[in-house]
Amino acid sequence: KQEVTQIPAALSVPEGENLVLNCSFTDSAIYNLQWFRQDPGKGLTSLLLIQSSQREQTSGRLNASLDKSSGRSTLYIAASQPGDSATYLCAVRPRYGGSQGNLIFGKGTKLSVKP
Amino acid sequence: DVKVTQSSRYLVKRTGEKVFLECVQDMDHENMFWYRQDPGLGLRLIYFSYDVKMKEKGDIPEGYSVSREKKERFSLILESASTNQTSMYLCASSSRYQPQHFGDGTRLSIL
Repeated sequence: KQEVTQIPAALSVPEGENLVLNCSFTDSAIYNLQWFRQDPGKGLTSLLLIQSSQREQTSGRLNASLDKSSGRSTLYIAASQPGDSATYLCAVRPRYGGSQGNLIFGKGTKLSVKP
Repeated sequence: DVKVTQSSRYLVKRTGEKVFLECVQDMDHENMFWYRQDPGLGLRLIYFSYDVKMKEKGDIPEGYSVSREKKERFSLILESASTNQTSMYLCASSSRYQPQHFGDGTRLSIL
């Protein structure tokens, strides 16, 4: 059964620092991997989606990488800002055993960027 | 822009009540999903639907049912609400193989 793990569970950094969030998954048979952001009491906002054939995706200050063979993904945030404070969730779409679009989520990393 | 709308942000109900949570999407997506999110447990899939009148159980369907009579609307039903169903409920929709888009969530309290 596919399992997704995110380490650390919480992270606090000073403003301006570059940082990396980690995501690992147990089964490399995936269609894609998606990174989400969740603000307190709100729903999820999709940040980046990486297809299984891709190595990385970039959007502004965010860069997500995927190493399917080792079951790892990283989300790199450059020049962090207090507005980046949120919980970041990683999710994979299994290639087998699920139905159309079903996602398996990690428990998230809660990021706090201090001014 | 994709819009997924959940009918209530906050809801308080009593044990034994029948509770309806509504979700509407405006992008003609085939797939719709209901999750619940609890501290320490993350997001868990309750039910999903890949077409009108079609539904499939997720990881934790017990105590819930769903209805999809129209493509844009997916309803989650708590047949007889219990206190262990107090949670944040999130609805999502997607086209096949495309990213899921989420609503703002409904924080449900069962007293």
